[in-house]
Amino acid sequence: EVQLVESGGGLVKPGGSLRLSCAASGFTFRTYTMNWVRQAPGKGLEWVASITGTSSFIYYATSVKGRFTISRDNARESLDLQMDRLTDEDTALYFCVRSGSPVTPEDNNWFDPWGQGTLVAVS
Amino acid sequence: SYELTQPQSVSVSPGQTASISCSGDKLGDRYVSWYLQKPGQAPVLVMYQDDKRPSGIPERFSGSNSGNTATLTIGGALAVDEADYYCQTWHGLSSSYVFGTGTKVTVL
Repeated sequence: EVQLVESGGGLVKPGGSLRLSCAASGFTFRTYTMNWVRQAPGKGLEWVASITGTSSFIYYATSVKGRFTISRDNARESLDLQMDRLTDEDTALYFCVRSGSPVTPEDNNWFDPWGQGTLVAVS
Repeated sequence: SYELTQPQSVSVSPGQTASISCSGDKLGDRYVSWYLQKPGQAPVLVMYQDDKRPSGIPERFSGSNSGNTATLTIGGALAVDEADYYCQTWHGLSSSYVFGTGTKVTVL
């Protein structure tokens, strides 16, 4: 069974930093693109960042580019999101999400499955 | 930036058909996925590559995508289908994924 378990969320002051982690299991981690998607309280879904299996390609949403860094450790089967210079607009539930297919390029791919999320509050 | 627009809400009677639209410039040229999210839960994939149903998703869910509009259809809606629904695509020019604004589906 595929499992994605996020950790590292919490309360942080504006301008501060936080590092999120996602522990993956139940699939061949190194072959899948991994993603972070967030959801502000009462709002819709917002894609944050993606990283391909070998870390060859990394993509960021404009809203986080230059402040957030996505990375992965295939040996530990873990995904991280380093978040710096946080603002109150970064307050959200952050989901770790696997791309749906290991062989499908980004423009044809989808998000499945999703972790339960870890909450980040900037205040 | 690329935007996907969905109706804020859709209401449907039990057993009737609900259609949720997702509009974007030349959306028919891209693949679209759909997710449902119930309160307090993580999103769940219900459709990918326009019209493919993941295993475990009931046959009453179907999808299409043409022109500027993608549509998720729930044929014979049930109370359990009440949820927020989001469309999603990839925007190559900005190398980014985009989610729609979300649609709250009510079955009553």
